[in-house]
Amino acid sequence: EPEVTQTPSHQVTQMGQEVILRCVPISNHLYFYWYRQILGQKVEFLVSFYNNEISEKSEIFDDQFSVERPDGSNFTLKIRSTKLEDSAMYFCASSVGPPTQYFGPGTRLLVL
Amino acid sequence: TQLLEQSPQFLSIQEGENLTVYCNSSSVFSSLQWYRQEPGEGPVLLVTVVTGGEVKKLKRLTFQFGDARKDSSLHITAAQPGDTGLYLCAGALNSGTYKYIFGTGTRLKVLA
Repeated sequence: EPEVTQTPSHQVTQMGQEVILRCVPISNHLYFYWYRQILGQKVEFLVSFYNNEISEKSEIFDDQFSVERPDGSNFTLKIRSTKLEDSAMYFCASSVGPPTQYFGPGTRLLVL
Repeated sequence: TQLLEQSPQFLSIQEGENLTVYCNSSSVFSSLQWYRQEPGEGPVLLVTVVTGGEVKKLKRLTFQFGDARKDSSLHITAAQPGDTGLYLCAGALNSGTYKYIFGTGTRLKVLA
């Protein structure tokens, strides 16, 4: 069964460094999402992406964040200058179309 | 701020018992999803409901969307240890929106 994959599974970085989180959505899906989950807290929507542009973003998704689909398979989330509070589990999801979406296993980001 | 409140927050029951988990909001949702999340993994979609009053069954799990589309319930019949996990509801405020609001979660433990 096709699934969303994410790399790396864990990422440790120093505050102020840039990180890129990678996702490979399910191949025939057209909508892509990023969510984050701070330890012990709710899953929070960050951004959705369709037709090579951002469809919707939350207040969390400020200028430090960007998304890109550099080729036909990868979908990336870049954090330009990481802060301590960016430490969280980051989930990528994809869908053929709303409302159904399928989540990847996540990347655990730790900012020191 | 739109909130999806889930209750109970924690639930520990014996194998074979029935249980119901609730997801409530003051907001109207165009669709609502239920997920199960294991520690360190991404949410796994269980069901999507889109019509007020809709009832969907998935083996021993029964999902209901409230008539007013503000609430939902998940009922598990004859719970098994394999049902243990974090159950999340997530709602979309508008049809076709890409932004999903997640609930606070119900952590279920089924004892053998």
